[in-house]
Amino acid sequence: DGGITQSPKYLFRKEGQNVTLSCEQNLNHDAMYWYRQDPGQGLRLIYYSQIVNDFQKGDIAEGYSVSREKKESFPLTVTSAQKNPTAFYLCASSRHRAGAYNEQFFGPGTRLTVL
Amino acid sequence: AQSVAQPEDQVNVAEGNPLTVKCTYSVSGNPYLFWYVQYPNRGLQFLLKYITGDNLVKGSYGFEAEFNKSQTSFHLKKPSALVSDSALYFCAVRLLTGNQFYFGTGTSLTVIP
Repeated sequence: DGGITQSPKYLFRKEGQNVTLSCEQNLNHDAMYWYRQDPGQGLRLIYYSQIVNDFQKGDIAEGYSVSREKKESFPLTVTSAQKNPTAFYLCASSRHRAGAYNEQFFGPGTRLTVL
Repeated sequence: AQSVAQPEDQVNVAEGNPLTVKCTYSVSGNPYLFWYVQYPNRGLQFLLKYITGDNLVKGSYGFEAEFNKSQTSFHLKKPSALVSDSALYFCAVRLLTGNQFYFGTGTSLTVIP
């Protein structure tokens, strides 16, 4: 899983609560990404960030928020507005987009379950 | 819109036999193509990528993939499958001018002993 860590590995949330998933990388990568994985749907992009203090919505950003205050960190908050948050969440990073051929490195994932 | 298709949800192959996992793409520019593997409850691991040049690229664990521009395909292959190759495989594409990676829905490979 390279130099990317995600915590916690398992997370349980009650309905109506916000939760924050941690993602840290020590690869000195500029770009970071959050994906949601559901069975049979592959990976869907939630948010991505190319540089510090800047981020863009992906395909399914509603009900999620992010921040990028440090190059190494890209936390994802799942808000109570997300209607169906139970899923496996993956964080990834890659070198600057100027090298678009650079592959992504993925963290081990966080499995979120809403009780 | 950019898209990646993996037409087979499930591929079964006997140990020792060659395996192929299919991927086709539809993009509006020149693509960079990637294959990743995912083991249960783990993140994705990079296998190989096509940037330019030779259409046959070699990657980790004996895997290779063939880029076919006319058929817009990038099939993953291995000459002799191992039981340990059983996993979920994802094809992905990225454009030079874009910020995003586009993933297929994944193909579950089972190698039967």
